Amino acid sequence: DVKVTQSSRYLVKRTGEKVFLECVQDMDHENMFWYRQDPGLGLRLIYFSYDVKMKEKGDIPEGYSVSREKKERFSLILESASTNQTSMYLCASSLAGVGSEQYFGPGTRLTVT
Amino acid sequence: GENVEQHPSTLSVQEGDSAVIKCTYSDSASNYFPWYKQELGKGPQLIIDIRSNVGEKKDQRIAVTLNKTAKHFSLHITETQPEDSAVYFCAASIDGNQFYFGTGTSLTVIP
Repeated sequence: DVKVTQSSRYLVKRTGEKVFLECVQDMDHENMFWYRQDPGLGLRLIYFSYDVKMKEKGDIPEGYSVSREKKERFSLILESASTNQTSMYLCASSLAGVGSEQYFGPGTRLTVT
Repeated sequence: GENVEQHPSTLSVQEGDSAVIKCTYSDSASNYFPWYKQELGKGPQLIIDIRSNVGEKKDQRIAVTLNKTAKHFSLHITETQPEDSAVYFCAASIDGNQFYFGTGTSLTVIP
């Protein structure tokens, strides 16, 4: 069974703090993704990575950065958290290629106060 | 880029009835269309998908249809059960790397 785990289910941070969200997958998947989910907006892609040390911007990369030093781990970094980054963050992974199923983690609900 | 629209945003059906959720996409190069179910407190989970070389796919009570000419695809759930209550998302992808999601449909099945 594929498992995608995220470091925290709930996180509360203050404005201006640096925030790290960690994601680990155990199925040797090439691709990893970070989305944010907001009511009425669906899932929006922040960044994805198709290999170690490789990354591509998604639709809403502003205010975020990512790191993939090992194949199984993909980190999302909020350099200076702001209240408009309060959201549910979902990590996913998949094999490379069209038609490969994306497996999602349970999500991290981040609140920035 | 790709734009995926999903309707309706909420849907209530009586147990045993059918539910239909519709999505449209804008980029004719999209060739893979997955559907996800998200239960409360969980991440989305793939329930069915279809590729652009297929018009219809069925898996027990769930079916997906694709009309490439009109650029729309639909999810059909028959004989709905209370455990079908969840949020459903459609998505479209060109290369398997970037996925564009619809805004979600909250389905409630009334016992």
